[in-house]
Amino acid sequence: KNQVEQSPQSLIILEGKNCTLQCNYTVSPFSNLRWYKQDTGRGPVSLTIMTFSENTKSNGRYTATLDADTKQSSLHITASQLSDSASYICVVSRPGNTPLVFGKGTRLSVIA
Amino acid sequence: DGGITQSPKYLFRKEGQNVTLSCEQNLNHDAMYWYRQDPGQGLRLIYYSQIVNDFQKGDIAEGYSVSREKKESFPLTVTSAQKNPTAFYLCASSISTGGGGELFFGEGSRLTVL
Repeated sequence: KNQVEQSPQSLIILEGKNCTLQCNYTVSPFSNLRWYKQDTGRGPVSLTIMTFSENTKSNGRYTATLDADTKQSSLHITASQLSDSASYICVVSRPGNTPLVFGKGTRLSVIA
Repeated sequence: DGGITQSPKYLFRKEGQNVTLSCEQNLNHDAMYWYRQDPGQGLRLIYYSQIVNDFQKGDIAEGYSVSREKKESFPLTVTSAQKNPTAFYLCASSISTGGGGELFFGEGSRLTVL
């Protein structure tokens, strides 16, 4: 069954600290993996895309990794800010016109 | 600016009433989608459309209907047949449905059934 599992479900960290969010998937075949950030009450926004051949990609303080062999991805946030408080959703796509597979998200709270 | 506009932001409905959620995009995207989001659950696909005058059911289409008369517009009607309609509804678009292209989301519509 095509599934995307994210952990932890929720996370609270102090401002300035780093954190890592995990995404494990069983989706096959694989096209790409995206991380989206969703602020409370708003629509998700794409942070980064990982294709099969990419291991690491950075977008400012966000760094995503992908291990296509173990079907795992992570999103590392460096020097967290209060504005990083949001849900982070992992989405995996397959080739062709097939529906995307969404994880349930990790809710991150950054506190002062 | 280009983007997706959903309206209304908040909507209250009495049981037994149909309601229509609006979704308009000016990104010139071919594909449009409706998702439902409930607390603690991932986004679930209701309907999607790849071209004008064509649309397909997603995983949870029962109790919902859509139309795609114009490329820019993809309204969603939540009918009285939907057993548990209270949720956050998200409209999205992408250049096409294939290849896992980036989804551009609207700001969402929160529907509450009284």
